Amino acid sequence: ETGVTQTPRHLVMGMTNKKSLKCEQHLGHNAMYWYKQSAKKPLELMFVYSLEERVENNSVPSRFSPECPNSSHLFLHLHTLQPEDSALYLCASSQDGDFTEAFFGQGTRLTVV
Amino acid sequence: QKEVEQNSGPLSVPEGAIASLNCTYSDRVSQSFFWYRQYSGKSPELIMSIYSNGDKEDGRFTAQLNKASQYVSLLIRDSQPSDSATYLCAAFSYGNNRLAFGKGNQVVVIP
Repeated sequence: ETGVTQTPRHLVMGMTNKKSLKCEQHLGHNAMYWYKQSAKKPLELMFVYSLEERVENNSVPSRFSPECPNSSHLFLHLHTLQPEDSALYLCASSQDGDFTEAFFGQGTRLTVV
Repeated sequence: QKEVEQNSGPLSVPEGAIASLNCTYSDRVSQSFFWYRQYSGKSPELIMSIYSNGDKEDGRFTAQLNKASQYVSLLIRDSQPSDSATYLCAAFSYGNNRLAFGKGNQVVVIP
């Protein structure tokens, strides 16, 4: 248990569905991140929030929409996904937005059918 | 050139031996380096961080950093079956303001 909790742990959704991933951190950190982990590829940074403001968006398709209502919660809203979006989605947090010692949640295993 | 590169292929070591993992990075201004351990089906777990040249030891783990050669390594002494996992190298660059990960190195400790 790292203090970063993600729900759901597993999600199967159709290409026309809308779903949301949730992340909550109990570490008092100021920065939160979404990563995508696909088989045989490095972790890909998707979004960075520092003090609840988005500071980076690495050319992620608009079918992924992040939301950070406060420094403890982070959401990833999903709509009209493609099968190639199937992956492990990891949330992480760190004290500041410089990624120093980032701690990861358990991830959401997403399958798009 | 990949930002962070790790040796390909699984590394098999007998129990009690030293496992040696290597990582190179391309961004000369990278300043912070991390090793994460990821068990199959689990999330990455931070096991070591290193910020200055030289060695840093924590229990059975030793991280080594050589900024001139843009090289960071991880040694696991007295390897145990519980060390069997994928080890991810990561480098943070204040210039790019992002943490880049390598693909990971699978370690298999054989009892």
